[in-house]
Amino acid sequence: GQQVMQIPQYQHVQEGEDFTTYCNSSTTLSNIQWYKQRPGGHPVFLIQLVKSGEVKKQKRLTFQFGEAKKNSSLHITATQTTDVGTYFCAGVPTDSWGKLQFGAGTQVVVTP
Amino acid sequence: DTEVTQTPKHLVMGMTNKKSLKCEQHMGHRAMYWYKQKAKKPPELMFVYSYEKLSINESVPSRFSPECPNSSLLNLHLHALQPEDSALYLCASTPDRGNEQFFGPGTRLTVL
Repeated sequence: GQQVMQIPQYQHVQEGEDFTTYCNSSTTLSNIQWYKQRPGGHPVFLIQLVKSGEVKKQKRLTFQFGEAKKNSSLHITATQTTDVGTYFCAGVPTDSWGKLQFGAGTQVVVTP
Repeated sequence: DTEVTQTPKHLVMGMTNKKSLKCEQHMGHRAMYWYKQKAKKPPELMFVYSYEKLSINESVPSRFSPECPNSSLLNLHLHALQPEDSALYLCASTPDRGNEQFFGPGTRLTVL
């Protein structure tokens, strides 16, 4: 079964608002990656977090990796219509031979 | 060249047909992947090739047959598929297992 849980499944956001999506793994991860998939498109790599407690920023996106390396979050500030899409976290368990364990994804809809 | 290409973009086939999907990358990546993605679901791993050898088969039915002719090419041969095999088939590559994956645009397959 799926080992990386991601919530929420859907997120309706007013343009300009902030939101956060969360991932939680049942096992310790060697790293966690985030991907964005636009409607009709393919997953595109956003970021990789490797260190315990790591925080990385990309413009309005802030990514965090938990101290226990089992959970992660993506926070988007001042949402824009270009943020529409599905955001997937993908964990790499330490014993997984590098296989990505994808979360279910958070589908983001932005209302102007 | 920093992209993964896939052909064809769309494919419609009958249950008795034989067809092949093609994936190509020229980034020197030594790990290549086939994923299947159903609508509103995360990518589901099918096969992993590492240094042109099949390393992982996620219990995929034998009607799907992967092939890696060389380090840049990955094929997926399809035979006697079922309508439930209709999905987006994604190819991905990575410089090393566990690192960021570069996804191709996918082949949207419909089985009639």
